[in-house]
Amino acid sequence: NAGVTQTPKFRVLKTGQSMTLLCAQDMNHEYMYWYRQDPGMGLRLIHYSVGEGTTAKGEVPDGYNVSRLKKQNFLLGLESAAPSQTSVYFCASSRRGGASNTEAFFGQGTRLTVV
Amino acid sequence: QQPVQSPQAVILREGEDAVINCSSSKALYSVHWYRQKHGEAPVFLMILLKGGEQKGHEKISASFNEKKQQSSLYLTASQLSYSGTYFCGTEGEYGNKLVFGAGTILRVKS
Repeated sequence: NAGVTQTPKFRVLKTGQSMTLLCAQDMNHEYMYWYRQDPGMGLRLIHYSVGEGTTAKGEVPDGYNVSRLKKQNFLLGLESAAPSQTSVYFCASSRRGGASNTEAFFGQGTRLTVV
Repeated sequence: QQPVQSPQAVILREGEDAVINCSSSKALYSVHWYRQKHGEAPVFLMILLKGGEQKGHEKISASFNEKKQQSSLYLTASQLSYSGTYFCGTEGEYGNKLVFGAGTILRVKS
């Protein structure tokens, strides 16, 4: 099993450019999440999805958009990248929440630098 | 809203014990604990559901007090391999939004 796969692993963008980060999971999980990790701030939730075709805002959604057209994929888009979006982005997936077997599985992360 | 973790960092010698705390201002359905090694993804340790249960994982255990909206992670007889950043994650009433704290950096020295 591949688990959760993020593409790409590294990327450098110029301010104002756009890009899409892809997250794919092969565990048939309902829930998927996008987090950003910055020093001293932990993992902050950007957007999440509780099922195919649904998305919801997390704590820091500004400047990002997401789509979940297929259950196994969760895309994170940056329409006009800003230096403040320099971060490590993690995708995670889990079974339906609120139960004892709903641990989150994380991808390996995408290191994004905006110059 | 992110849960609050304390302490921010702790340094231990091998064999010493540590406690990491996690608290929330909102009612919680569950608390997750994860450990992240430098340059790697977070890895699941355990999950506690409301009901005040306590769980164990080798020499690492945790408790969850739903009335106080708090959880604690206990690391006993620490080993070098315990070094890393520990995160608590919380799910609210509907169990559909996993939010993490800022993390606690744990360093175990020989």
